[in-house]
Amino acid sequence: RKEVEQDPGPFNVPEGATVAFNCTYSNSASQSFFWYRQDCRKEPKLLMSVYSSGNEDGRFTAQLNRASQYISLLIRDSKLSDSATYLCVVNFAGNDMRFGAGTRLTVKP
Amino acid sequence: SQTIHQWPATLVQPVGSPLSLECTVEGTSNPNLYWYRQAAGRGLQLLFYSVGIGQISSEVPQNLSASRPQDRQFILSSKKLLLSDSGFYLCAWSSGPEAFFGQGTRLTVV
Repeated sequence: RKEVEQDPGPFNVPEGATVAFNCTYSNSASQSFFWYRQDCRKEPKLLMSVYSSGNEDGRFTAQLNRASQYISLLIRDSKLSDSATYLCVVNFAGNDMRFGAGTRLTVKP
Repeated sequence: SQTIHQWPATLVQPVGSPLSLECTVEGTSNPNLYWYRQAAGRGLQLLFYSVGIGQISSEVPQNLSASRPQDRQFILSSKKLLLSDSGFYLCAWSSGPEAFFGQGTRLTVV
């Protein structure tokens, strides 16, 4: 089993759609979770952290399910500018960061 | 503030030639350092990570090696490049829960 696993997509959705990504992780002792965004030919950048109680930032909602060992990212009212690759990141222990391979999203007019 | 420098930004190398990519971090001490590769249209693949000077963990068998001669310096090398080594190479660091990336090196092996 991969340490951090994501559906690679691609997800092709129309503007205004709601889209959700899931990510599973193998290390039950993991403490920190993040979603990163990577634009084409650029480096990944932090989109949002994922807290145990779930958290929301505008159109983006992140949730954590420790029992099932997965995190999710929900994007509401998709914009063209949301097109990117979304990377799930899990801090396994201390500073041991593990990245998923990413899920590609394309939002179409 | 912390910054990460990665160079060169782009590189075209012939098959069989050596490779050296360098990454340095400023403004922090004893960071975890990472080298990732991203092949065209594909996700991030962890190549190496280091928790301290001279401590390198390799995630996948390959034609590459890494070294950490100083606390904030991480070097990715190859003695002889293969066509399959082409890709986007990213250096990253973390000293807490969040990771920060360099701007990447786009390597084309011809």
